[in-house]
Amino acid sequence: EAGVAQSPRYKIIEKRQSVAFWCNPISGHATLYWYQQILGQGPKLLIQFQNNGVVDDSQLPKDRFSAERLKGVDSTLKIQPAKLEDSAVYLCASSSRVTNEKLFFGSGTQLSVL
Amino acid sequence: QQQVKQSPQSLIVQKGGISIINCAYENTAFDYFPWYQQFPGKGPALLIAIRPDVSEKKEGRFTISFNKSAKQFSLHIMDSQPGDSATYFCAAIPLDGKLTFGQGTILTVHP
Repeated sequence: EAGVAQSPRYKIIEKRQSVAFWCNPISGHATLYWYQQILGQGPKLLIQFQNNGVVDDSQLPKDRFSAERLKGVDSTLKIQPAKLEDSAVYLCASSSRVTNEKLFFGSGTQLSVL
Repeated sequence: QQQVKQSPQSLIVQKGGISIINCAYENTAFDYFPWYQQFPGKGPALLIAIRPDVSEKKEGRFTISFNKSAKQFSLHIMDSQPGDSATYFCAAIPLDGKLTFGQGTILTVHP
């Protein structure tokens, strides 16, 4: 079974630039999550999709972050404009259940904002 | 708001020893408590999980101990191996709610 695919693996940008991350979940998983993991901290949920609808985006900084999952499969997360404090690993995860009991994570995109 | 507190921040254990990581929570609505293991450059992976209706769950060398009255739970790794060196996160989920992670514990097992 293929895992959660994410790209790019690394990204370095300057502040105020924009950046986009891509995620392809495990086939058949209806629920998709984007997490932000700052160095030395646990992952923090940014947004959760059920199919192509948003379930929870309460911690997404909507003035600069956006995410979409148009066809209920792969998803993109965008930051525009980026700030220094956005430097983190952005993890995508998927699950076959809405209750978050077993999440499968991708390897993440490491973002450095200079 | 920090809802799951994890300690220690880092832990060094000799090969063959027991590694113990502790977590405490405040929200009594939590009803599922997973532990995730994360290797450098990888995403977290589910290791073991427990529900509050049992006090202990064991899978191989990994055991979760759960104390509902104290609102605490812990991960015990028996016969720790260098391959167990990773970051471990406890987490908690309320029914139909959001997964909340602890801060993580960096475990180093020396050969």
